This record gives sequence, structure tokens and C-alpha cells, in this order.
Amino acid sequence: QSVLTQPPSVSAAPGQKVTISCSGSSSNIGVSYVSWYQQVPGAAPKLLIYENNKRPSGIPDRFSGSKSGTSATLDITGLQTGDEAHYHCATWENSLTAVVFGGGTKLAVL
Amino acid sequence: QLQLQESGPGLVKPSETLSLTCSVSGDSISSSNYFWGWIRQPPGKGLEWIGSIYHQSGRTSYNPSLRSRVTISTDTSKNQLSLNLASVTAADTAVYFCAGLGTRQLARFKADFWGQGTLVTVSS
Repeated sequence: QSVLTQPPSVSAAPGQKVTISCSGSSSNIGVSYVSWYQQVPGAAPKLLIYENNKRPSGIPDRFSGSKSGTSATLDITGLQTGDEAHYHCATWENSLTAVVFGGGTKLAVL
Repeated sequence: QLQLQESGPGLVKPSETLSLTCSVSGDSISSSNYFWGWIRQPPGKGLEWIGSIYHQSGRTSYNPSLRSRVTISTDTSKNQLSLNLASVTAADTAVYFCAGLGTRQLARFKADFWGQGTLVTVSS
């Protein structure tokens, strides 16, 4: 059972938009920054979003993040088949003094 | 560009100690720009943070569920990061990743650079 809750899977058609949620609490997302990672099968995760809504160099602006209260959201627009992957959120949990991850969301581009 | 590469045994017996190293290139392990961390992923499951170290201060931070068994350290002479996890069980079977965390505050956690990961199986 992860501290951060993500939907196990989401799907959308190529070219469409998908939203992946990450739900936490006042002791984690509510007081800390959220980062998002993309992981294709067999590979290491890749940083997509940090500090809630910032993109590292080289990440397309099709990927965007936001945070409101104790939840965070990753939006992906103009979906491509290459976006099929698992997406993970992460943040700092104050009560545990630990980094926590969501359980991950599998994105299918149908 | 920072590059990381994990190495160590792929098979460890129950009750023994899992030991991995992570070779860092592209910057110094003593750089003030990074925390260094270990993250693992059991087969078919999500990511789990093991712990982090900030070389400048020597400060470590560990997952409470693993704290009694884990040690993370740095070796500046080899520019390496190390992980020791004692008294392993089958539940410790996972892909282990080392990572460079481009932040000076874990409340702003972000893992910018990752090793490719190494699968460690705990079995007799």
C-alpha cells in the first residue's frame, strides 16, 4: 500500500490528452514538492517534472504538472504511442522523514 | 552529463548482506550539487526509496522500514556510492537503482540521473 495513490492504469487515443492523478495528504504533497517519472519497460525511470510543474531540459511541453492541496496531476497532451509507459509520482513525507512514491500508473495509447 | 552504473552480485542468500556499488562519472561524488540515493523496484511493482546521502555533510537519510538494515556511503577515491542491506529475505528481491538527486533539500526531491539498474535476487 503506497502512501501516494495513483490509478493503476489510464488509456487514451493518439493525439488525445490524458491526466494522471497522485493523491496524498497534508504531511506529504500538502507541504512538499512533487516530481514525476516516466518508465518504459526494462529501463530506468526518467525525470519528467520536478517541483510540481517544472520540466528538465529536453522534456517536451506536452508534459505538464500541477499541484493543488494534497493532490498532484500530470497532464500529457498530443499523445504518442511512444508515451506508453509507467508513470510514477514522488514527494517527501514529513511524518516518516522519507521520500515516498506512488504505486505507478500504466498508460496505454490505444 | 552525469552517468551512473550499478554493480554487484545478482544472487544473494537469505540472511546475508546485499552489497552494491555505483560508479559515478561526469561529476565528483563529493559535488555539492547532488544528493546520492538508492531506489529499488520489486518485480512488477512500484518504486521504493531506500535512502540518500549528501557527501558534503555526510548526512544520510533512510527509509524507516529499512533503517535498521541499510547503510549508504561514498568513496571519493573511487568516485563511488555504496549500498549495504543486511539480513536480506526474498522480499528484498528487486531491481536496485542508484540515482543522482539534483537538489540540496529532500523536500524538493528529484532524481535527475539514474543508473540502468541491477537485478538482485535473494534465494538459497
